[in-house]
Amino acid sequence: DVKVTQSSRYLVKRTGEKVFLECVQDMDHENMFWYRQDPGLGLRLIYFSYDVKMKEKGDIPEGYSVSREKKERFSLILESASTNQTSMYLCASSPSEQYFGPGTRLTVT
Amino acid sequence: AQSVTQLGSHVSVSEGALVLLRCNYSSSVPPYLFWYVQYPNQGLQLLLKYTTGATLVKGINGFEAEFKKSETSFHLTKPSAHMSDAAEYFCAVSRTGGYQKVTFGIGTKLQVIP
Repeated sequence: DVKVTQSSRYLVKRTGEKVFLECVQDMDHENMFWYRQDPGLGLRLIYFSYDVKMKEKGDIPEGYSVSREKKERFSLILESASTNQTSMYLCASSPSEQYFGPGTRLTVT
Repeated sequence: AQSVTQLGSHVSVSEGALVLLRCNYSSSVPPYLFWYVQYPNQGLQLLLKYTTGATLVKGINGFEAEFKKSETSFHLTKPSAHMSDAAEYFCAVSRTGGYQKVTFGIGTKLQVIP
């Protein structure tokens, strides 16, 4: 079975902090994705990566950056967390269909 | 450009009744289509997918969906609802090939009434 893990299930940070969310997949997939999920808005793509050191902006990249130094790991970085970044963050990896991690519920106070 | 419309953000059915969750898509190229399920405080799990070939696709937990090109639809059905089916369901579309950027619908919460 494909396994996608995320570093934290729940995270509480203060406004202005730098936040790292880590995602690791064990199936050698080239494509990896970061989404945020908010009630009534569904899943919105923040960034995706189709290869090591390659990244593409998704639909809502503002306030976020990403890093992919190794194929299995894709990190999402909030440079200066703000309260409007309180959300559920989902990582996925993909050959064609996407396999999701369990999510990180981030609260910024 | 591609998009997904899920009709009904909340659907309630009685236990044992037919489940029908509606999904319409738009895509400028032949699409790949997916249904995912999300249980509370969990990530999304793939229920089924359509890529090419047979238009009736069977998935896990007794769900199936039919790709109807003429109607640009990919509705999800299950003959008899179980209490354990209560969850949120997402329809999604992607282009064939490329980086498989996926567009998701906003989701439908299914309530199963005993």
